Amino acid sequence: KAGVTQTPRYLIKTRGQQVTLSCSPISGHRSVSWYQQTPGQGLQFLFEYFSETQRNKGNFPGRFSGRQFSNSRSEMNVSTLELGDSALYLCASRTGTSEQETQYFGPGTRLLVL
Amino acid sequence: SQKIEQNSEALNIQEGKTATLTCNYTNYSPAYLQWYRQDPGRGPVFLLLIRENEKEKRKERLKVTFDTTLKQSLFHITASQPADSATYLCALYRGDDKIIFGKGTRLHILP
Repeated sequence: KAGVTQTPRYLIKTRGQQVTLSCSPISGHRSVSWYQQTPGQGLQFLFEYFSETQRNKGNFPGRFSGRQFSNSRSEMNVSTLELGDSALYLCASRTGTSEQETQYFGPGTRLLVL
Repeated sequence: SQKIEQNSEALNIQEGKTATLTCNYTNYSPAYLQWYRQDPGRGPVFLLLIRENEKEKRKERLKVTFDTTLKQSLFHITASQPADSATYLCALYRGDDKIIFGKGTRLHILP
């Protein structure tokens, strides 16, 4: 089975721009979660999508949004980029049917905001 | 609010020794704790899950303990090898369907 894939792997943007990141989960997984990882804050939960609906949300401003398509692929959008948005953005997938199941992470998209 | 802390930012251990990493949490005991390994430039990889009613879990050279009295989980790697060098993250299920992660401990196994 193919693992979780994320595109693009690297991205450079300037302040004020917007960006869209993509995540393809493992086949059969209906839950996709997004995380932001920075050296200072560690891994922080952004949101989770399950069957095209946002099921959970972390404490991030409304500039961070996401969506999920019928094939479970998910996109994350950040509008009006700020320097502090520079981070590794990770998505993780699971079947979504049990709260104790393992999450499988993708390799991440490294975003640099200049 | 529930917080999770991994005591050491970095840990140097001699090859062949046991590496012990600590994860402490505040407030209520989570239903379970997870440990992940993360290599540079890669996403975290799941290693072990331990439930609140389990004291200890093992997988090959890895062992995790869960002490709800101390509000602490310990992660041990026995007979450590340079290939074990990585960042190790603990994560707990917060109870409102969210998982929170510690900031990780960078483990260096010295040959």
